[in-house]
Amino acid sequence: QQKVQQSPESLIVPEGAMTSLNCTFSDSASQYFAWYRQHSGKAPKALMSIFSNGEKEEGRFTIHLNKASLHFSLHIRDSQPSDSALYLCAVSSNTGYQNFYFGKGTSLTVIP
Amino acid sequence: EAAVTQSPRNKVTVTGGNVTLSCRQTNSHNYMYWYRQDTGHGLRLIHYSYGAGNLQIGDVPDGYKATRTTQEDFFLLLELASPSQTSLYFCASSEFSNERLFFGHGTKLSVL
Repeated sequence: QQKVQQSPESLIVPEGAMTSLNCTFSDSASQYFAWYRQHSGKAPKALMSIFSNGEKEEGRFTIHLNKASLHFSLHIRDSQPSDSALYLCAVSSNTGYQNFYFGKGTSLTVIP
Repeated sequence: EAAVTQSPRNKVTVTGGNVTLSCRQTNSHNYMYWYRQDTGHGLRLIHYSYGAGNLQIGDVPDGYKATRTTQEDFFLLLELASPSQTSLYFCASSEFSNERLFFGHGTKLSVL
């Protein structure tokens, strides 16, 4: 079964900082990689996703994937207090068994 | 934006009780999922479906039944609820496999 681990568990950064969140996975055949953000008391909401090695940028957010090292990451440029939330990474394997395996999350607090 | 609606928002029951959680999505997505979210475990898949009448087992199915009655409606049934099923339950949908999940706002279930 796919193992997905996130680091760090929690993070406190000042407003305007660059924030980096990490996710490792165990199945090298994984096909789909995504980050979700969950504000307190709310539903998880998809932020970004990637299928192939490399980088993808959308606004202040950049996702980076390296399948060989079983690692992908989310970078937030110019972090804002509104970015304070639980960040979940998700990995999906193309095994005919449709499941997104989620990490336990990184709790991010951005201090004004 | 896909709309996924869950009911009820909160539910309290006693050990051995019957509980039905409801989920409706209005975007004609093919896939629907039930997850539970627990501190220390993250989001774990209970059951999912890729169409009306279809049901697939997830990673933590014990003690749960599910039924997809229409393209829009997916139900989770706990026939003999136990305290270990106290959790936050999320329904989600996606149009195809390996695509972003759209989550409902969650149902907080307490089994006393």
